[in-house]
Amino acid sequence: QKEVEQNSGPLSVPEGAIASLNCTYSDRGSQSFFWYRQYSGKSPELIMFIYSNGDKEDGRFTAQLNKASQYVSLLIRDSQPSDSATYLCARAPYGGSQGNLIFGKGTKLSVKP
Amino acid sequence: GAGVSQSPSNKVTEKGKDVELRCDPISGHTALYWYRQSLGQGLEFLIYFQGNSAPDKSGLPSDRFSAERTGGSVSTLTIQRTQQEDSAVYLCASSSGPETQYFGPGTRLLVL
Repeated sequence: QKEVEQNSGPLSVPEGAIASLNCTYSDRGSQSFFWYRQYSGKSPELIMFIYSNGDKEDGRFTAQLNKASQYVSLLIRDSQPSDSATYLCARAPYGGSQGNLIFGKGTKLSVKP
Repeated sequence: GAGVSQSPSNKVTEKGKDVELRCDPISGHTALYWYRQSLGQGLEFLIYFQGNSAPDKSGLPSDRFSAERTGGSVSTLTIQRTQQEDSAVYLCASSSGPETQYFGPGTRLLVL
């Protein structure tokens, strides 16, 4: 079974708009969630991680976590063409400890100038 | 500072041959991970090393895959008797804590 689900997209938004990327997960024991950005042909790079219910903001990025509904989202404000990439959602299987991440297949975002 | 490095960046091999992929983690990072990413697929966990503990091999798809980490630093992923379905990008990551895994540039493996 797939533990982390993402809409593959592509999600297309105009420059300056808010891009909303969503992710759902099946394991209620999950504690830590991560958003990675992957440009075509490149390796993933971490954007944000979130542990607690609610919002976490970092610049133009806001991660939102709702453990009761088992979803995590990433909002990108004032989207730029340089934000065009595949966004990977991941969860850590063990709360607060190191271990392999379980990734979704990613959502491809396209920001049109 | 230097990031995670991997070599080779690209590898083309014939079906049935063995290949070795190398990962050099960020200095001081105790955890090292191998993932692979096939076209159109998400990252698939392969194996995880943490310090001197026994590795978590639960993601290895078959006994043709093995990995070792010497001296708590460099790691080698070996694929024996390669098959065409092994073609993928093999990504290595390292971390010093639970929050952030830093990925290397990957090795693109093509099995003909």
